[in-house]
Amino acid sequence: GENVEQHPSTLSVQEGDSAVIKCTYSDSASNYFPWYKQELGKRPQLIIDIRSNVGEKKDQRIAVTLNKTAKHFSLHITETQPEDSAVYFCAANAGGTSYGKLTFGQGTILTVHP
Amino acid sequence: DAGITQSPRYKITETGRQVTLMCHQTWSHSYMFWYRQDLGHGLRLIYYSAAADITDKGEVPDGYVVSRSKTENFPLTLESATRSQTSVYFCASSEFAGGVSYNEQFFGPGTRLTVL
Repeated sequence: GENVEQHPSTLSVQEGDSAVIKCTYSDSASNYFPWYKQELGKRPQLIIDIRSNVGEKKDQRIAVTLNKTAKHFSLHITETQPEDSAVYFCAANAGGTSYGKLTFGQGTILTVHP
Repeated sequence: DAGITQSPRYKITETGRQVTLMCHQTWSHSYMFWYRQDLGHGLRLIYYSAAADITDKGEVPDGYVVSRSKTENFPLTLESATRSQTSVYFCASSEFAGGVSYNEQFFGPGTRLTVL
């Protein structure tokens, strides 16, 4: 099955700096890569996703890049703010299935210091 | 997000007891999922369902049972709870539309389960 590795497990930055979280996946048939943000005590919520027919997608301060050849994708947050502090999860779908299953990375705890 | 709810939100039980966690969604989404979240493991899929009466195992199904007699409900039962099942459980749902199997999963608020 799909295996998703996420790094780093913790990331500490100063407000205004950029943050980058990287993920690798194993199933070459995967074609959907979402990123979720989970604030303390809350549910995970989708912040951005990318499909395999594009290499990059941007939404204001958040961007995701995908390299299908190398089977890795990354989340980039620019001009970080304290409210960006949360746990971020990457995920990849199960290739070749119609069930929409996702395999999640282990998560990155991002702390943005004012 | 109010469209997917879980109950109870908190539950304390004892080893060996049967526990059922409820999940209800009002969007008529085809897919529903159960995850458990533990420190260091992220979100791990327990069971999922593509439609009423269609369920399948995920990554960590042992000790759990699911059913889906109605599209909107997807209960998760721990037949004989163990301490290792202490966790936060999230239910999620997503749509299957236009032949696309990859769509946003919407998560419920979670159930914090403690097994003593």
